[in-house]
Amino acid sequence: SQKIEQNSEALNIQEGKTATLTCNYTNYSPAYLQWYRQDPGRGPVFLLLIRENEKEKRKERLKVTFDTTLKQSLFHITASQPADSATYLCALSSGGYQKVTFGTGTKLQVIP
Amino acid sequence: GAVVSQHPSRVICKSGTSVKIECRSLDFQATTMFWYRQFPKQSLMLMATSNEGSKATYEQGVEKDKFLINHASLTLSTLTVTSAHPEDSSFYICSARDREGINEQFFGPGTRLTVL
Repeated sequence: SQKIEQNSEALNIQEGKTATLTCNYTNYSPAYLQWYRQDPGRGPVFLLLIRENEKEKRKERLKVTFDTTLKQSLFHITASQPADSATYLCALSSGGYQKVTFGTGTKLQVIP
Repeated sequence: GAVVSQHPSRVICKSGTSVKIECRSLDFQATTMFWYRQFPKQSLMLMATSNEGSKATYEQGVEKDKFLINHASLTLSTLTVTSAHPEDSSFYICSARDREGINEQFFGPGTRLTVL
């Protein structure tokens, strides 16, 4: 069955460092992959989308890579700030009208 | 960016009552809306997909008679939890997609349902 794995353990990093979160998937051929941010008690907020034919995408301090051979996406936040503390979800879809499937998320804590 | 609202944000009800949750796209027309449920420290689980003017498509294991979905217009979808029980207590989140084939979803802020 399709499986999306994110590190369930919280990631603690020092302010100013680069945070790197991992999303691995199996039994899936996604057309695109998305990253969302979710704060406690709130709905997810869309951050970035990367398509299967793209290796990397950037937006301000965020960078996403997508390796369809390794079946892995890495999500980087450079110059991290305490305000970046949240849970980050990756989500995959086969595209078109196919549904989006979410990972369980990784909680990031940026320590001042 | 596109904004999706949900109402109410929090509801507490007695077992056996029905609860209606509204999801609205405020500045775009949502041809498709999704309803998710999220338990503590778990991922979002898709319950159903609704397209305006047609019946919702439910995911396996989701009771369509218990979770009634109506997508009456391009800006409004409602989820009614009928005869709610304590095990239905969860965080319900809707999302909307603004164009067919464009798969970025915009999420509402969520509704915390507590059934006593």
